Amino acid sequence: EAGVAQSPRYKIIEKRQSVAFWCNPISGHATLYWYQQILGQGPKLLIQFQNNGVVDDSQLPKDRFSAERLKGVDSTLKIQPAKLEDSAVYLCASSARTGASYKLFFGSGTQLSVL
Amino acid sequence: GDSVTQMEGPVTLSEEAFLTINCTYTATGYPSLFWYVQYPGEGLQLLLKATKADDKGSNKGFEATYRKETTSFHLEKGSVQVSDSAVYFCALVRENQKVTFGTGTKLQVIP
Repeated sequence: EAGVAQSPRYKIIEKRQSVAFWCNPISGHATLYWYQQILGQGPKLLIQFQNNGVVDDSQLPKDRFSAERLKGVDSTLKIQPAKLEDSAVYLCASSARTGASYKLFFGSGTQLSVL
Repeated sequence: GDSVTQMEGPVTLSEEAFLTINCTYTATGYPSLFWYVQYPGEGLQLLLKATKADDKGSNKGFEATYRKETTSFHLEKGSVQVSDSAVYFCALVRENQKVTFGTGTKLQVIP
């Protein structure tokens, strides 16, 4: 089966610019996640969707980050304006079901460098 | 809140050496515990999991046992290969599928 698709693979922008990342989960997966992975740290959850509804966005910096999943399939994460500390890899993941025993499928990530 | 602590890397081993990567957690209740692996240039993928105390997860020669009394989930492999070089993440998973990751341990296996 096709995996989780993310684009772009790399992005370099200057601070205060805006940027958007795209994710297409595995077909049929209702749950979609965006994680931020700063170099040397584990992934940190930014937002979790169940279909097109938000389940958890408690760690999303809402003054600059936004995410949507309008049709319950693919998703877009936006940063506006970007700060230097936003430099990280942004990972998208999906899961067929919720529950503690179900694994997440991750995309390869988008590496963002803010200069 | 939930937290996961992993041993710092990088860990450098010769091929066929024994591997242990320590993982301890802090959490209430009965979460599930996972190990994810990230090979160079790829996304994270599940290596193994255990969903209750005393369960042993295993895959590709790797093993980890869910020890509630020591709040640990150490990853072990009897004989590592160069192809095992990657970053390994211990993770705690709740029923609502909220995942708390450790900081990752980089393993480098040299021939």
